[in-house]
Amino acid sequence: KNQVEQSPQSLIILEGKNCTLQCNYTVSPFSNLRWYKQDTGRGPVSLTIMTFSENTKSNGRYTATLDADTKQSSLHITASQLSDSASYICVVTDRGSTLGRLYFGRGTQLTVWP
Amino acid sequence: EADIYQTPRYLVIGTGKKITLECSQTMGHDKMYWYQQDPGMELHLIHYSYGVNSTEKGDLSSESTVSRIRTEHFPLTLESARPSHTSQYLCASSEVRGQASYNEQFFGPGTRLTVL
Repeated sequence: KNQVEQSPQSLIILEGKNCTLQCNYTVSPFSNLRWYKQDTGRGPVSLTIMTFSENTKSNGRYTATLDADTKQSSLHITASQLSDSASYICVVTDRGSTLGRLYFGRGTQLTVWP
Repeated sequence: EADIYQTPRYLVIGTGKKITLECSQTMGHDKMYWYQQDPGMELHLIHYSYGVNSTEKGDLSSESTVSRIRTEHFPLTLESARPSHTSQYLCASSEVRGQASYNEQFFGPGTRLTVL
């Protein structure tokens, strides 16, 4: 069964600190993995995308890693800001689907305190 | 920010009412999607469309229906709303270019529906 599991479920950090969010998946055949940021009351916005051959991708203070062998990914946030408070969702795409079917994790709810 | 819009953003209605959630995109994308999301849970695909006059049911069974008469418009309708329909509904779109799995889906802001 294609699944995406994220940890932790929620996380509270102080402004300026770093944090790392985890994602494990069983989706096969694997195409790519995206990390989305979803602000409260908004739709998800893509932060990074990684394919099978990529093991790291950066977008400003966000750095995603991918280990396709162990089917694990992480999202590292550096020097957190209050605006980073959001849900971070790991999304894996199935290569075999003509639709480009997405498999979503439940997200990690990050709260950044001043 | 993606050019995909949803109205209303919030809706509170009574049981038995007919409702239509609107979704429009100005990016000319052929593919459009409707997702349902409960608090703390993953998004579930309930409907999708490959283009005009194409509609398909998604993974999660839903009593809602959709239509795609114009490329830019993908409304979702509930004929008789019930409290079990209370949820957040997100619309998304993607272009058709190369391999489908690489086409990014752009999401609207969502409609939060509460049925009393």
